[in-house]
Amino acid sequence: EIVLTQSPATLSLSPGERATLSCRASQSVSSYLAWYQQKPGQAPRLLIYDASNRATGIPARFSGSGSGTDFTLTISSLEPEDFAVYYCQQSRNTFGQGTKLEIK
Amino acid sequence: QVQLVQSGSELKKPGASVKVSCKASGYTFTSYAMNWVRQAPGQGLEWMGWINTNTGNPTYAQGFTGRFVFSLDTSVSTAYLQISSLKAEDTAVYYCARERKGIAAAGRSALNYWGQGTLVTVSS
Repeated sequence: EIVLTQSPATLSLSPGERATLSCRASQSVSSYLAWYQQKPGQAPRLLIYDASNRATGIPARFSGSGSGTDFTLTISSLEPEDFAVYYCQQSRNTFGQGTKLEIK
Repeated sequence: QVQLVQSGSELKKPGASVKVSCKASGYTFTSYAMNWVRQAPGQGLEWMGWINTNTGNPTYAQGFTGRFVFSLDTSVSTAYLQISSLKAEDTAVYYCARERKGIAAAGRSALNYWGQGTLVTVSS
């Protein structure tokens, strides 16, 4: 069973700063890695698919990179609406435990 | 536009069963696989499995075998999740989510459309 470990658990930053979120897989997931954003009371929203492709309508400040076992979601300059919980997932498989991005 | 509309909240007693529906519109239902995801209160997302909407073949994640059943009614473009012998720990929001890639494309796919979620509460 593949385990996805996200770090950090909580990230405290200010608007305008750069956010770097990590997702590490216990074995290779190739490029079948997606990132989702979830705000309280809402369903998750797809941000990045296949490790580095932005989903439709996702702003360019969101980018994904990595392959194999190490992946990164970068938000280049945080907007107030970006503070949320972020999950990685191997497609058709497990989710990471999430990273909460909070306002500093 | 693609929409997934789930059935309303449920309050069930331990040992009972529940059936959650997910009605799809705005696309050809049998062309995209459907996944199910659970989120317990204050917790993260758990992938439960997926169902091939073309063949009806379900695949269940570890921990979601036995009491959990995915099914379809393609005549009304609806996917179902049935949970039997409910336990308190089944209390959660259950989401259906459609895959981004069509079934014909094969391979794994991210989830780009989600239902609004159905809260199932199990309590005596």
